[in-house]
Amino acid sequence: GENVEQHPSTLSVQEGDSAVIKCTYSDSASNYFPWYKQELGKRPQLIIDIRSNVGEKKDQRIAVTLNKTAKHFSLHITETQPEDSAVYFCAAAYNNNDMRFGAGTRLTVKP
Amino acid sequence: NAGVTQTPKFQVLKTGQSMTLQCAQDMNHEYMSWYRQDPGMGLRLIHYSVGAGITDQGEVPNGYNVSRSTTEDFPLRLLSAAPSQTSVYFCASSPSPGDGYTFGSGTRLTVV
Repeated sequence: GENVEQHPSTLSVQEGDSAVIKCTYSDSASNYFPWYKQELGKRPQLIIDIRSNVGEKKDQRIAVTLNKTAKHFSLHITETQPEDSAVYFCAAAYNNNDMRFGAGTRLTVKP
Repeated sequence: NAGVTQTPKFQVLKTGQSMTLQCAQDMNHEYMSWYRQDPGMGLRLIHYSVGAGITDQGEVPNGYNVSRSTTEDFPLRLLSAAPSQTSVYFCASSPSPGDGYTFGSGTRLTVV
């Protein structure tokens, strides 16, 4: 099955700075790469996703980039705010079959 | 729409007991999955289904059974509970390939 590695495991930034989280995957057949945000005690929520036919996708302050050749994808958050503090998970799957998640990144935004 | 509904929210089991975690969705989603979440280990896939009557194993299927007799329901059965199965269990659903999963609110299970 797919293996997803995520770095860093913890990330601390000052409010207003940018944050970058990186993931690598093992299965070259994977074609769908979502990112989830999980606040303490809550369920994971989809924040952005990208499909393999696209190299970059942006939604306001968040963006995701995908490098299929190198099998890695990244989440970029600009102008971070305290409410961005949470655990972020990347995932990879082929057509939503057998979706595997990274171990998560705990992001702390200091005011 | 209620979304993805999981019951119960909390459960304490004794070692060796069996139980079923319920998951239902009212969005007519074809894809459904069960994950367990342990501290520091992210979300690990237990079983998944791509439609009624079709199920497959994820990365940690041992000790769990699933069935998908209807599009709406995807119950997870613990056959003989063990302390290692203490975890938070999430059910999730998606309408199609390439669409994100919607998660339920989770079931916190403790096995003593």
